[in-house]
Amino acid sequence: GNSVTQMEGPVTLSEEAFLTINCTYTATGYPSLFWYVQYPGEGLQLLLKATKADDKGSNKGFEATYRKETTSFHLEKGSVQVSDSAVYFCALSDGSGGSNYKLTFGKGTLLTVNP
Amino acid sequence: GAGVSQSPRYKVAKRGQDVALRCDPISGHVSLFWYQQALGQGPEFLTYFQNEAQLDKSGLPSDRFFAERPEGSVSTLKIQRTQQEDSAVYLCASSLGPRIAKNIQYFGAGTRLSVL
Repeated sequence: GNSVTQMEGPVTLSEEAFLTINCTYTATGYPSLFWYVQYPGEGLQLLLKATKADDKGSNKGFEATYRKETTSFHLEKGSVQVSDSAVYFCALSDGSGGSNYKLTFGKGTLLTVNP
Repeated sequence: GAGVSQSPRYKVAKRGQDVALRCDPISGHVSLFWYQQALGQGPEFLTYFQNEAQLDKSGLPSDRFFAERPEGSVSTLKIQRTQQEDSAVYLCASSLGPRIAKNIQYFGAGTRLSVL
């Protein structure tokens, strides 16, 4: 079956530090990959996505590259801000075999950015 | 509406009570998903609708869980005879359709269910 493993948190950084949150996956088909973010008190929001190998998703200064050879989709940001403090979820969606594109999530990584 | 709306935001139930959780998806979205998020975990898939048809209910944890979407828009997740292990946040998501290009899922804020 499908699964997502992401870096355990919590992660605490100072403002302007470099961020990496690791994510690896296993999938039976050829999945699309996503990063979702959950700010305190809010619902999940799509941060970025990639649908095929070597695609780079980017948004709000965050980037992640779909690496099929290493089955990874690591999230990076060059300079984090206090407002980036949130829980980040890596997820995949596998549409092969007529499935419904349900999302399989990792456990989430709590990021806290201090001023 | 502008986004996916869920109600109530919080629900406290005594063990053994029945509860009903409502999801109002984005207008025109064909696909609707329910997920369960336990404390400190990622969301886990419960069930999927395409219009009014429930095409996948493989994630429902027991026959106490029941979902419906009778007119292909609003959906209700019902839990009968609630147990403490049902305490979680229940998330609803909708997307334009099942094809991959349309499959960005938009989530509601969730309903936090606490079973005492």
